[in-house]
Amino acid sequence: AQKVTQAQTEISVVEKEDVTLDCVYETRDTTYYLFWYKQPPSGELVFLIRRNSFDEQNEISGRYSWNFQKSTSSFNFTITASQVVDSAVYFCALRRPRQQGGSEKLVFGKGTKLTVNP
Amino acid sequence: GAGVSQSPSNKVTEKGKDVELRCDPISGHTALYWYRQSLGQGLEFLIYFQGNSAPDKSGLPSDRFSAERTGGSVSTLTIQRTQQEDSAVYLCASSLGAGRPDTQYFGPGTRLTVL
Repeated sequence: AQKVTQAQTEISVVEKEDVTLDCVYETRDTTYYLFWYKQPPSGELVFLIRRNSFDEQNEISGRYSWNFQKSTSSFNFTITASQVVDSAVYFCALRRPRQQGGSEKLVFGKGTKLTVNP
Repeated sequence: GAGVSQSPSNKVTEKGKDVELRCDPISGHTALYWYRQSLGQGLEFLIYFQGNSAPDKSGLPSDRFSAERTGGSVSTLTIQRTQQEDSAVYLCASSLGAGRPDTQYFGPGTRLTVL
């Protein structure tokens, strides 16, 4: 079975602080896909990144960076110099590859609510 | 381009009534998904459509829930004899589909309140 755990339910930081959101996953598949989505107060889920299990290279996009470590089954997300606009609920998700059968449903973690205070 | 659209954005209904929720995927996306987001259960998969293949209905919580996708585009999620526990935000997503790099893009959701 697949499972995603986001142990941090809520995080509160002050603007300009760096913050890391943790994501730990469980799967028996050797190939899989990991995602991060952002859900601002408006409610719409916004795609941030997709990572294939065979690509462990870390990625940086502006103030966002992702650290993928297969050895610890973790896919953590860091926001550098946080801003008030980063306040949202962030979801980590896992998907099986198509070849493993079944649908391509996303299995989501419970989400981490990030509040960035001015 | 246009994203996934859903209607209505809000729906209030009385217990026992039927409701229909609509999803219009991104043009050219052959895969369509329904999820439900509730306080207690988080984000849960409901159903998945891919082209003309039989849908994966494994996430539907009861036989009161059904969905169809007409013409490979618009989808309707129907909940019959609504119950208070059906209150949630229903999210639709679409993706390019089989054989291509696949990211699901979500619509704004329909907030369903069952009184």
